[in-house]
Amino acid sequence: QVQLQESGPGLVKPSETLSLTCTVSGGAMRSYYWSWIRQPPGKGLEWIGYIYYNGNTNYSPSLQSRVTISVDTSKNQFSLKLSSVTAADTAVYYCARLPPSTVGIIDFWGQGTLVTVSS
Amino acid sequence: EIVLTQSPATLSLSPGERATLSCRASQSISSYLAWYQQKPGQAPRLLIYDGSNRATGIPARFSGSGSGTDFTLTISSLESEDFAVYYCQQRSNWPWTFGQGTKVEIK
Repeated sequence: QVQLQESGPGLVKPSETLSLTCTVSGGAMRSYYWSWIRQPPGKGLEWIGYIYYNGNTNYSPSLQSRVTISVDTSKNQFSLKLSSVTAADTAVYYCARLPPSTVGIIDFWGQGTLVTVSS
Repeated sequence: EIVLTQSPATLSLSPGERATLSCRASQSISSYLAWYQQKPGQAPRLLIYDGSNRATGIPARFSGSGSGTDFTLTISSLESEDFAVYYCQQRSNWPWTFGQGTKVEIK
């Protein structure tokens, strides 16, 4: 059974860079797409972007100028960096797997990690 | 960006009743619609993908229908564990988007 686990600071100061890592266990990263989604407290879900195992990326237009997603298949990890954060970036951040046969569908999710932007 | 509008916002039902949830897209998305269930403090769980295909391990009481712009998730007979928030999501056009959610609560 594939498992995904997010890790990183739970508190980030305004204007700084949010950095999270997702560690994948129980399955290979090859041939899959990997994604970050976020959910502000009490609100709905928002796609941040996704990366193919070979490093090809696609970012949400609303966040594109501030987002970088990278992958390290040797460590079974992929990462998110979001720069110049504000309070509006406070959310639970989920990492997720997208099967190649149905790109855009999430079959496995991490448990999520709350990141608060505050001084 | 494709906007998904879910209705109703809240559905109050009793166990054993039938639940019908709606999702409308701002433009045609063919059958590229999924449904997820989310319980408090948990990540969402995939229920239905591409309009009507049940995900692995999902009970038969969950069914999806629709194409184009109008979609429905039906729970034929609500079990206690089904009370949760349900989100629709399209994968027709990037950025993929979610609806705002329908909360199914116990009446």
